[in-house]
Amino acid sequence: KNEVEQSPQNLTAQEGEFITINCSYSVGISALHWLQQHPGGGIVSLFMLSSGKKKHGRLIATINIQEKHSSLHITASHPRDSAVYICASDSGGGADGLTFGKGTHLIIQP
Amino acid sequence: EPEVTQTPSHQVTQMGQEVILRCVPISNHLYFYWYRQILGQKVEFLVSFYNNEISEKSEIFDDQFSVERPDGSNFTLKIRSTKLEDSAMYFCASDFDRGNTEAFFGQGTRLTVV
Repeated sequence: KNEVEQSPQNLTAQEGEFITINCSYSVGISALHWLQQHPGGGIVSLFMLSSGKKKHGRLIATINIQEKHSSLHITASHPRDSAVYICASDSGGGADGLTFGKGTHLIIQP
Repeated sequence: EPEVTQTPSHQVTQMGQEVILRCVPISNHLYFYWYRQILGQKVEFLVSFYNNEISEKSEIFDDQFSVERPDGSNFTLKIRSTKLEDSAMYFCASDFDRGNTEAFFGQGTRLTVV
C-alpha cells in the first residue's frame, strides 16, 4: 500500500521567503500531484508531474523518481499563498486511486 | 476556464436518510472520481468511474455507497442510509486521461449527518 508523507506539517514564514515543501512516497507511481486547498475547502490542482521539473509563475515542482521524492517550492512568497498544500500520488491503477498526504499548512505573514 | 461544479455546497441530513451528491464534470473528461475529507483528516479516495462503470473503489466505498452517471453530464454519489461518520467534505474530480493529465476538482459538498 502506498504511503505519502509530507513535511513540514505546519510552516509559518515571512513574506518574500523561499518556501520548500517536501513529499515522499513508498511505491512506484505513474504521476504525482500537487494540490492547494484554501480555508473554504476547495481544492485546486497546481501540478501533475511524472519526471523532472515544472514551473508555473512563482511555483516550481520537482520530482526524483529514483528517490521517490518530490518538492514544491514557492519563490517570493506572499500572504495570498497561505493555504494547505497537498501532494497526492497516482499509482496508475489498483484500488487506491490517488493517495493523499496529510498536507502542509502554510502561513505567510506580511 | 472549465470547472467541475458540485451541488449542494452544504447538506444537512438526519442519520439513516439517503443523500445524493451531484457533480457536473468537465464536458470532455472521461474519468470521474469521488473523494472525501473528514474534518481535520486527509483526503481519501472513494471511487473512480470510467466508461459508465466503476473502475476502482476503496475499502470505504461499501454497499452504502453507489455512483451513477445518469444522463451523460451529471455524476452522482448516493449514500443509502447515512451514518454520523459519513459527515465529511465530498469532492468530485474529473480528468481526461488517468495518470497523464491533471485532475480538476469541484469545490466540494459539506455533508453533515445529525
